[in-house]
Amino acid sequence: GAGVSQSPRYKVAKRGQDVALRCDPISGHVSLFWYQQALGQGPEFLTYFQNEAQLDKSGLPSDRFFAERPEGSVSTLKIQRTQQEDSAVYLCASSWTSGGRYNEQFFGPGTRLTVL
Amino acid sequence: AQSVTQPDIHITVSEGASLELRCNYSYGATPYLFWYVQSPGQGLQLLLKYFSGDTLVQGIKGFEAEFKRSQSSFNLRKPSVHWSDAAEYFCAVGGGGTGTASKLTFGTGTRLQVTL
Repeated sequence: GAGVSQSPRYKVAKRGQDVALRCDPISGHVSLFWYQQALGQGPEFLTYFQNEAQLDKSGLPSDRFFAERPEGSVSTLKIQRTQQEDSAVYLCASSWTSGGRYNEQFFGPGTRLTVL
Repeated sequence: AQSVTQPDIHITVSEGASLELRCNYSYGATPYLFWYVQSPGQGLQLLLKYFSGDTLVQGIKGFEAEFKRSQSSFNLRKPSVHWSDAAEYFCAVGGGGTGTASKLTFGTGTRLQVTL
């Protein structure tokens, strides 16, 4: 597709369930970012991939959060034993990488996770 | 650590009136600055960006922003607002370069309401 896609768009989980959120970046984009956007807040950085390598996971809020990008394209954000405070919109963004030059991040529509 | 402040949570303007949304940033080096717009249920769309050079930057949809280093500000302006501009606006700062250094730090957003 032409843009970043995410699925599902909406997810309702019972507290304690595990969830998996998928991101399909723009074809050929090397960099992939995950952000968490709580209600009424701006997005906050979770983790970053360059190809299949997870180079920064400093924003993941707990060890219940896990992200992977095994083949350097599609990425999955997994949340284990979901808690109510995990309720948020999870945004994925991708960008080109070329040496020394900042590249614009293109955002997907997000997955809205509601934990009951 | 980098940070962004958007002092106005909610702004209401009449259609046809001018608009200015405020953004102040904190960053230890030359910042890369962005304005994004988010409509309900949509992802983030880039309005404009500043990397270097001319401090007045033009964006899409008739928006512009001015970078003022002395005031650490990057305010967004539009001469005449249209009803379709009603949305949430986010200012963001990113590090220069590639990879994880380019992760974005967002403000909390300003919700724009347009009255007819």
